[in-house]
Amino acid sequence: GAVVSQHPSWVICKSGTSVKIECRSLDFQATTMFWYRQFPKQSLMLMATSNEGSKATYEQGVEKDKFLINHASLTLSTLTVTSAHPEDSSFYICSATDTSGRKSEQFFGPGTRLTVL
Amino acid sequence: AQSVTQLGSHVSVSEGALVLLRCNYSSSVPPYLFWYVQYPNQGLQLLLKYTSAATLVKGINGFEAEFKKSETSFHLTKPSAHMSDAAEYFCAVSPMIYNQGGKLIFGQGTELSVKP
Repeated sequence: GAVVSQHPSWVICKSGTSVKIECRSLDFQATTMFWYRQFPKQSLMLMATSNEGSKATYEQGVEKDKFLINHASLTLSTLTVTSAHPEDSSFYICSATDTSGRKSEQFFGPGTRLTVL
Repeated sequence: AQSVTQLGSHVSVSEGALVLLRCNYSSSVPPYLFWYVQYPNQGLQLLLKYTSAATLVKGINGFEAEFKKSETSFHLTKPSAHMSDAAEYFCAVSPMIYNQGGKLIFGQGTELSVKP
């Protein structure tokens, strides 16, 4: 149980285009999902916290107009990187919390490797 | 405010040797503490977590960690390293005031290498 998937697993796009990444909780309902970015050989940096049915809360320094987050259902959150540039190339990881009684744990997706040419 | 410091960005051990990965935390409120493992190009897998129950926490794959409040530490150990343990390990802290999986603050990570 508590499986989180991400799609796509990797994507290559041209500079200036937009890319959408999906995060799904497959076997549980998640009121909260988190989006992280990880550069090579570095730690995970929280970008934003996404609550179902409400606006995402962005961390300081993260451009909300560039990284659009939608959490329309209890099983799906999406991250759209708008007008992507090479510096946005990174590994994006989502996580979700289980609302069925498990506490204090996030379940992580496998990540999405974004390369912007 | 909360923070996590992992001492040593890279640790190398021989197969069969003790694994010790160090983590110190800073927290203004009682913390939840976690250790995650990440294999290349993959997400994070939870090894173990401390949530105010027993201070010695046992996790998967033979790993364990001990919460020491006086030392603000949560070091990860394994008695005997396997080649398959080679990966990146992250320590993370979350404030205990959130009881449904609150915001995680990660350490810088420690890359564990295991020599044959």
